[in-house]
Amino acid sequence: EVQLVESGGGLIQPGGSLRLSCAVSGFTVSSTSMSWVRQAPGKGLDWVSVIYSGGSTYYADSVKGRFTISRDSSKNTLYLQMNNLRAEDTAVYYCARVLTFLGGTAGPSDYWGQGTLVTVSS
Amino acid sequence: DIQLTQSPSFLSTSVGDRVTITCRASQGISSYLAWYQQNPGKAPKLLIFAASTLQSGVPSRFSGSGSGTEFTLTISSLRPEDFATYYCQQFNSYPQTFGQGTRLEIK
Repeated sequence: EVQLVESGGGLIQPGGSLRLSCAVSGFTVSSTSMSWVRQAPGKGLDWVSVIYSGGSTYYADSVKGRFTISRDSSKNTLYLQMNNLRAEDTAVYYCARVLTFLGGTAGPSDYWGQGTLVTVSS
Repeated sequence: DIQLTQSPSFLSTSVGDRVTITCRASQGISSYLAWYQQNPGKAPKLLIFAASTLQSGVPSRFSGSGSGTEFTLTISSLRPEDFATYYCQQFNSYPQTFGQGTRLEIK
């Protein structure tokens, strides 16, 4: 059974750092593309980042240079390192498995975690 | 960045109704579009990818169509469990983007 379980969220002051984890079971995290998507309270979905099986990464402009996506194959876990956090980063953060199409295009996500809430506030 | 605009943003409708939601892209995205359903406090659920391919396990009352810049999600006959918020997502280019969402409410 495929499961994704996020952890690491919490209350953090502006300018602070936080690392989110996404523990995966049912497939190998390094064998497929994985992404992070966030959702501010009462708002819509906001794509954050993707890591391909080959290691290439892409980021939303709003987080580029502040967030880093990575994975640990030995722990079968996906990470999101978030630095210099801002109030507008407050959201539920979801990790998700990405469908990969012919040619290697990373597509939509078919499995999602339950999300972890990050609140950036003084 | 590619902007996705959904219409309507809100729809009050009834069980048994046929519903169509539109997603328009600010530039052509071929068929690189997906649709999700989200219930309050839950993660999104993938319904359709590549504009018209039904995800495994999704009921056949859901269908998608379109290519280029205009896409539609149709629910042929609404059931009580379909009252939720629906999002489109483009994966033609980075950054990937979502539409603002369409909330279906029971009339």
